[in-house]
Amino acid sequence: DAGVIQSPRHEVTEMGQEVTLRCKPISGHNSLFWYRQTMMRGLELLIYFNNNVPIDDSGMPEDRFSAKMPNASFSTLKIQPSEPRDSAVYFCASSLQTGNQPQHFGDGTRLSIL
Amino acid sequence: RKEVEQDPGPFNVPEGATVAFNCTYSNSASQSFFWYRQDCRKEPKLLMSVYSSGNEDGRFTAQLNRASQYISLLIRDSKLSDSATYLCVVSRPPGNKLTFGGGTRVLVKP
Repeated sequence: DAGVIQSPRHEVTEMGQEVTLRCKPISGHNSLFWYRQTMMRGLELLIYFNNNVPIDDSGMPEDRFSAKMPNASFSTLKIQPSEPRDSAVYFCASSLQTGNQPQHFGDGTRLSIL
Repeated sequence: RKEVEQDPGPFNVPEGATVAFNCTYSNSASQSFFWYRQDCRKEPKLLMSVYSSGNEDGRFTAQLNRASQYISLLIRDSKLSDSATYLCVVSRPPGNKLTFGGGTRVLVKP
């Protein structure tokens, strides 16, 4: 079975550019999560969706970050304009919504903003 | 105080030895507990869920102490391939929002 699929795997871009990260959750999972991981701050939850609806976006750093989930099989995380401090690994994860269900992570997108 | 706290390590472990480490959580409403494993430059992967009565999966044993609000992981007969960062993960309602600890790094050496 296919796991969580993220693209791109790596992205290097100049500050000020728009960055779009993509995620396809595991089929049948109705919860989707975006995380950011850095050495300094560890793994941080940015936003999560249940049944395509954003539930908690309190982890989104600022207005430059936005996330959408137009359907059950696709989500995007957009940064506009990007800044060097946004450099990190961004993970998408999905799970069943019901309690006690672990989350399954994608391979991550390694983002470098120059 | 962080919601989930772990000793960052590293724990240097001779191959074949036993290693154990804890994780404390601050929110008494926490309901589900997990250990994830993360290898360098890889994604976190579920190692095991942690049940109230404690549970074992091969060489790995997890325990939960709700009264003292900590969970533990014990690795017996350590293998070189056990070298990784072990993330303590706690979830609480509403929804399935997980909070990750900073991770405990384990290095198993020959």
